[in-house]
Amino acid sequence: QKEVEQNSGPLSVPEGAIASLNCTYSDRGSQSFFWYRQYSGKSPELIMSIYSNGDKEDGRFTAQLNKASQYVSLLIRDSQPSDSATYLCAVKIGTSYGKLTFGQGTILTVHP
Amino acid sequence: DTGVSQDPRHKITKRGQNVTFRCDPISEHNRLYWYRQTLGQGPEFLTYFQNEAQLEKSRLLSDRFSAERPKGSFSTLEIQRTEQGDSAMYLCALSPTRSGLGSTDTQYFGPGTRLTVL
Repeated sequence: QKEVEQNSGPLSVPEGAIASLNCTYSDRGSQSFFWYRQYSGKSPELIMSIYSNGDKEDGRFTAQLNKASQYVSLLIRDSQPSDSATYLCAVKIGTSYGKLTFGQGTILTVHP
Repeated sequence: DTGVSQDPRHKITKRGQNVTFRCDPISEHNRLYWYRQTLGQGPEFLTYFQNEAQLEKSRLLSDRFSAERPKGSFSTLEIQRTEQGDSAMYLCALSPTRSGLGSTDTQYFGPGTRLTVL
């Protein structure tokens, strides 16, 4: 079992719809969770961080964390074509020095 | 602006050559990480520095790889006797020094160095 798993997609949604991206992780001791966006040929860009169970909202983005189910998700409301990118879930596993373990990423395409 | 620059941005080399990449934090960050990302995969951790001390290395970091951070500021990653399998994006990431700037777990990536080994 991979430490961090994401559905690689591609996920295709129409403009204006809600995009839902999911991630599961294996280490119950994990405390810090991050979503990054990566455009083709560019480096990952931090979108959201979440540390507590529940929802965290930032503009059109909402991160959701459920530690009991070892599940973290990212919702993008009112999706725009400019949101088309690869979304990476990252987890600080256990008591590591802070290294992040990434999923393989979900490719999102928002079509007009 | 993520506060970190990397040089070069692109490197093409022949198999067997040595290459060196550099990561320069623009401001003070005591935690510095190197990752490698191949096509279609998420970044994979290579090594971690706290100030000048290299505190953790991945098993991915074979004997051909070495990293330094001599004065706790910039860092270099050297690959000796490159192989075609080393072709990847090499990413440097930084964490804030103080929690007031955001969680010290948060990492911000530089633009990366894309390595192609022919």
